Amino acid sequence: SAVISQKPSRDICQRGTSLTIQCQVDSQVTMMFWYRQQPGQSLTLIATANQGSEATYESGFVIDKFPISRPNLTFSTLTVSNMSPEDSSIYLCSVEINVRQYFGPGTRLTVL
Amino acid sequence: SQQGEEDPQALSIQEGENATMNCSYKTSINNLQWYRQNSGRGLVHLILIRSNEREKHSGRLRVTLDTSKKSSSLLITASRAADTASYFCATGGQKLVFGQGTRLTINP
Repeated sequence: SAVISQKPSRDICQRGTSLTIQCQVDSQVTMMFWYRQQPGQSLTLIATANQGSEATYESGFVIDKFPISRPNLTFSTLTVSNMSPEDSSIYLCSVEINVRQYFGPGTRLTVL
Repeated sequence: SQQGEEDPQALSIQEGENATMNCSYKTSINNLQWYRQNSGRGLVHLILIRSNEREKHSGRLRVTLDTSKKSSSLLITASRAADTASYFCATGGQKLVFGQGTRLTINP
């Protein structure tokens, strides 16, 4: 199993600013995943973060808007850049261990 | 893009009743997972069913998988107020693709 923490748990930000979300896992994992959940919607994969290489982004998501860091095997950050109200969502990180995926508690972002 | 649909989108039942949620998907799969989400927080993994399995149980949960129909169902028996949550199915291995989810409300 895995225990995942995220910081911050929630934030309210002004449009045009950026927010960096941290994800910490209690074991070493090769890949970490970042998801977005817009209000009332399901989860959509943003990108896969690999240690030692650039993140792989899904269709509709770009590095300039969602830069990701993966400095080691237990930590990753996702930055939401130049925010607009449409970025208001819950952002979740996850890891896969033995086929199962474990999710962090999420970061609830509100952009005014 | 989303893998498929879940129905119903919302379900409200009385405590003690059984709740059934359905999920359909579009592509071939190796496994299908069900998750619960309370109040828009993190997801809790409930159960994984592999493509060569037809039914799986975990406590009060029963999951079925019909690969010929590309569908799965989650049954929660003897529901409790604490089961109130959103339930999602997901396929895709490492890069999960989620269904739209079912919002389940258990009325005391």
